[in-house]
Amino acid sequence: DQQVKQNSPSLSVQEGRISILNCDYTNSMFDYFLWYKKYPAEGPTFLISISSIKDKNEDGRFTVFLNKSAKHLSLHIVPSQPGDSAVYFCAASVAGSARQLTFGSGTQLTVLP
Amino acid sequence: DAGVTQSPTHLIKTRGQQVTLRCSPISGHKSVSWYQQVLGQGPQFIFQYYEKEERGRGNFPDRFSARQFPNYSSELNVNALLLGDSALYLCASSLGYGNEKLFFGSGTQLSVL
Repeated sequence: DQQVKQNSPSLSVQEGRISILNCDYTNSMFDYFLWYKKYPAEGPTFLISISSIKDKNEDGRFTVFLNKSAKHLSLHIVPSQPGDSAVYFCAASVAGSARQLTFGSGTQLTVLP
Repeated sequence: DAGVTQSPTHLIKTRGQQVTLRCSPISGHKSVSWYQQVLGQGPQFIFQYYEKEERGRGNFPDRFSARQFPNYSSELNVNALLLGDSALYLCASSLGYGNEKLFFGSGTQLSVL
């Protein structure tokens, strides 16, 4: 049973446009959400996170939105750059769980020049 | 500063063999977690160790074991290898127990033939 789902395996956008990556979760106990970026032959790199007490968090070109009622979060990248091309993983954790992360299956983002 | 280092980077084993994977966390980090990433899926939690004690265990069989040493480095052992154990094994470190932000190594690619 996948508790964190990324339903789009791939996404292509033009350089300079907005990239929107989506993630849905089923476990209402999740209280912390993260996005990781992964390049080939490298480990995942932390990108941005959000606590369940917030509905938005920004860091430069990256913004994460959380809709708790819909159990949905999204990552917006504006403007998209070719260097953003990577696999993006959504992850979630439960307080008191040793903060083990439950990951989605990832979305391959390709930013076209 | 050195990031999380893992060795070896690649490994080929045959069914029934045993394997040991090694991980050195970022200096000052006391918590180490292990994740398994099968091709096309997101990383799946295996273990978390903090201060040399197991603090979390994922849904993996007893063939999987780990330990953490006084210098906070860690080993993951897998006995009686199966074809399905072929995966990228990722080690992540964090400052302490309950810290959500994980820093990942580049992983060990294990192939079981």
